[in-house]
Amino acid sequence: DIQMTQSPSSLSASVGDRVTITCRASQSISSYLNWYQQKPGKAPNLLIYVASSLQSGVPSRFSGSGSGTDFTLTISSLQPEDFATYYCQQSYSSPALTFGGGTKVEIK
Amino acid sequence: QVQLQQSGPGLVKPSQTLSLTCAISGDSVSSNSAAWIWIRQSPSRGLEWLGRTYYRSKWYNDYALSVKSRITINPDTSKNQFSLQLNSVTPEDTAVYYCVRAVEAAQLDYWGQGTLVTVSS
Repeated sequence: DIQMTQSPSSLSASVGDRVTITCRASQSISSYLNWYQQKPGKAPNLLIYVASSLQSGVPSRFSGSGSGTDFTLTISSLQPEDFATYYCQQSYSSPALTFGGGTKVEIK
Repeated sequence: QVQLQQSGPGLVKPSQTLSLTCAISGDSVSSNSAAWIWIRQSPSRGLEWLGRTYYRSKWYNDYALSVKSRITINPDTSKNQFSLQLNSVTPEDTAVYYCVRAVEAAQLDYWGQGTLVTVSS
C-alpha cells in the first residue's frame, strides 16, 4: 500500500492567517492526490482533486499544489468556518485508496 | 444533487454480520462513470477504504485485502442502492461507516451521513 504522511498533525492559527498543510506519499503518485475537510460529526468534504483542481462550490481561498511525492494544501486567509481536520487521499493505486492521518486546524 | 442515505443497525454482536445499505438519489448505481464505495473511520485505523462496486457494461467489485475474506458489496438496481455485508465482526470493526461516490480520478465527491457501528455483546 502507498502510505500517506501529513504534517503537522495539528496546528493553531488565527483568523486571517495563511495556513499550509503538507502531504507526502511513500512513492510517486503523479497528481493523483485529493484533499478533504472534515468537521466533527460530519462526513469528509472534497476540497481539491488531482492535486490542484478546486471542487465546485469550494471557496477560492483553498488551493492545492504538488506532484510526485510532495503536496501542499494552502488556505490563503483562514476563516472561522475553516477550523476542522484536513485529510489527503491518493488515488494512484486505485481501487486501493489510502488517506493521510489528518491535520487538525485549531483556533489560536 | 446527489444524495446518499445510509441505513442499518448501529450495534452488532461479535461473530455476527454487519449489514448496511446506501440509497442513491440524483444518480444511478448503474452509472458508467461512477463507482460506489464503502469507507470506514476509527480512531485506531483512520480512514480506511473497504471496497467498491461499479458498472462498466457488467458489474465489478474490488475489496481491500484487510477484509477481502469477510466482505461483500452488492448493487441493487431495482432500488437504486448498494449494500455492505461484513461477516464475523470483532470489536476492531467498530467504526463510523460511510458510503461514497467516486468519479473520474477516484475523487470522493458525495458521502453518506455515516453510521456508527459498534461491535459489542
